[in-house]
Amino acid sequence: DTEVTQTPKHLVMGMTNKKSLKCEQHMGHRAMYWYKQKAKKPPELMFVYSYEKLSINESVPSRFSPECPNSSLLNLHLHALQPEDSALYLCASSQPGQGNNQPQHFGDGTRLSIL
Amino acid sequence: AQSVTQLGSHVSVSEGALVLLRCNYSSSVPPYLFWYVQYPNQGLQLLLKYTTGATLVKGINGFEAEFKKSETSFHLTKPSAHMSDAAEYFCALDTGGFKTIFGAGTRLFVKA
Repeated sequence: DTEVTQTPKHLVMGMTNKKSLKCEQHMGHRAMYWYKQKAKKPPELMFVYSYEKLSINESVPSRFSPECPNSSLLNLHLHALQPEDSALYLCASSQPGQGNNQPQHFGDGTRLSIL
Repeated sequence: AQSVTQLGSHVSVSEGALVLLRCNYSSSVPPYLFWYVQYPNQGLQLLLKYTTGATLVKGINGFEAEFKKSETSFHLTKPSAHMSDAAEYFCALDTGGFKTIFGAGTRLFVKA
């Protein structure tokens, strides 16, 4: 069983809808990540939160809006998405810090389809 | 610049045969390296990691990897493939911050 829980597992939405992806971990990790993964490709980093503060935004379009309400939760709010945004969205967590070689723990992802 | 190159997007082996997945890296600082596995419809799972010290690293499910600085390689091996090993494998480099550089991935097929 994965220690990072993502909901929902699948999401189908129209381009005008607003929805949210949720991620939860109880490992005491203080860094949390959102990745986008297209089929047959490696994960692409979108956002990183460290101690509940946004540390990295990889020039992601504003139709994706992250939120970290507390140290265990991470949300990704979606609005006016495009068909090319259809992908697997992965959440991960780790211990933060520079070069501390801590691996990331991944959830099983949300499979998002934009109609 | 830091980078990860996985040689071979697809590798096919027979059940019981040796598994060898190749990874080469480029890093200007001592690297921290990982191998992750991704099964269909799942997230990435850590197989093993290299930080410092012993260059032969043992991981889960019988996998191991050897760090060779002179060859800038971190190849993943398993003596005997099992059908359940069929998956996508990613080699990854920790850049020292929050960014991890992933290789393009290698799909492992295991034939009965």
